[in-house]
Parts: sequence; C-alpha cells; structure tokens
Amino acid sequence: QSALTQPASVSGSPGQSITISCTGTSSDVGGYNYVSWYQQHPGKAPKLMIYEVSNRPSGVSNRFSGSKSGNTASLTISGLQAEDEADYYCSSYTSSSTPLYVFGTGTKVTVL
Amino acid sequence: EVQLVESGGGLVQPGGSLKLSCAASGFTFSGSAMHWVRQASGKGLEWVGRIRSKANSYATAYAASVKGRFTISRDDSKNTAYLQMNSLKTEDTAVYYCTRHMNYYYGMDVWGQGTTVTVSS
Repeated sequence: QSALTQPASVSGSPGQSITISCTGTSSDVGGYNYVSWYQQHPGKAPKLMIYEVSNRPSGVSNRFSGSKSGNTASLTISGLQAEDEADYYCSSYTSSSTPLYVFGTGTKVTVL
Repeated sequence: EVQLVESGGGLVQPGGSLKLSCAASGFTFSGSAMHWVRQASGKGLEWVGRIRSKANSYATAYAASVKGRFTISRDDSKNTAYLQMNSLKTEDTAVYYCTRHMNYYYGMDVWGQGTTVTVSS
C-alpha cells in the first residue's frame, strides 16, 4: 500500500485560493468517504482540518473546504493568509488490513 | 481540556525495545479508539497502528512495516495507551504521536505533542 500522492508544493498570494490534490486508488480514496486533511506547522503536531471528505471540525475556518471526485480528493484554501503557510497531509481509510490508514506524501503551502 | 501526552521516547540501540505511553485527559478515553502515527525527521506522516475500545474487543491493526514487532495496548483504568516496540531498527527513528479517533466519524481529531525515538548504535 503506497502513500497517497500529493504535489510537493503549492503557493499563492494572500487573498488567493489554492487547491491541493490527493490521489489514491479505488481501495482507499475512491472507495470510501473517509478522507481527512491535516495541517502541520514546523515543530508542531498535525491538526485536523477536514474529516470525511468535506466536513470541518468545530473551530476550523470556513476558508478550508474539501471535496472528492473518483480517486482524487482535494483541499481548497480560499482567502489565503500568512498563517496558512504549513505542510498539509491527506489521509484515507483503506480496504487492506495493513495498513488500515494511509497518509499522503504531504504538500508544502507557501504564501508569497 | 482535551489532551494527549506522550512519554517514553529516547535513544535505543538497534534490536532493542522501548515502550511509549500516551496519557489522555479531558474526555472519555475508554470509549475512544486510539492511533499511533510517526514522522521521521523531514519526512511525512506514517500510520503505525490502532487499538479500538472495549466495546470493539480492543481490536488492533498495524502497518506492515511494524507488524510483528510493535504492539499497541491500553489501560482504560489509567486512561493510557501504549506502544511496545521490539526489535527496533534504525528506520524506526521518528517522532511518535498518539491520536484520538473521532467518535462516530473518520478522522484523528486530537494529537499529542509527540515523543522522539532514536534508534542508533
């Protein structure tokens, strides 16, 4: 079971919107609506931003939104802000018994 | 305050063992499934394993890279989860996080600060 594929980096200017893709297979992203997204600032623990494809936990800005089409999930950040500069990881439940969950390769978001 | 605090990390020689702890507070620990996730320096996140609640028979699952070497357990009376790591390899060097699986939904909504494990001679 390989890691889900994400672009290594995405950048945007303040106020712009960016989208991060997360590509898997029919055994993970495409097979279940169990995709989540995590934000990680340097030296910090990851933080849940989106669960089950498109749901935001309480306290997460509505500038963050998620979607899925086929085997690819996406995280969109609108109204980009300096504080959004971080690493982002997708994750999905998988149909294999090992691993049960798989993370994406990670995307570095840079605010220009 | 909902919180997870890992401990037990350190330096260990290849082939050695180490047991990590994850102390939970601020929520009903016994009802939650718990995961361990690791991150090597400068690398991405890797799911290590999960233990479910008593209601789900404390079922465990592991990544292929650690299966047969690592064991996840829990003591609900102490609100603590554990990761027993045996036959450690240099590639197990990483920051280890424990996380809470959301109730009723799929996602890891609470993360500890992490504990560092270094496997080196």
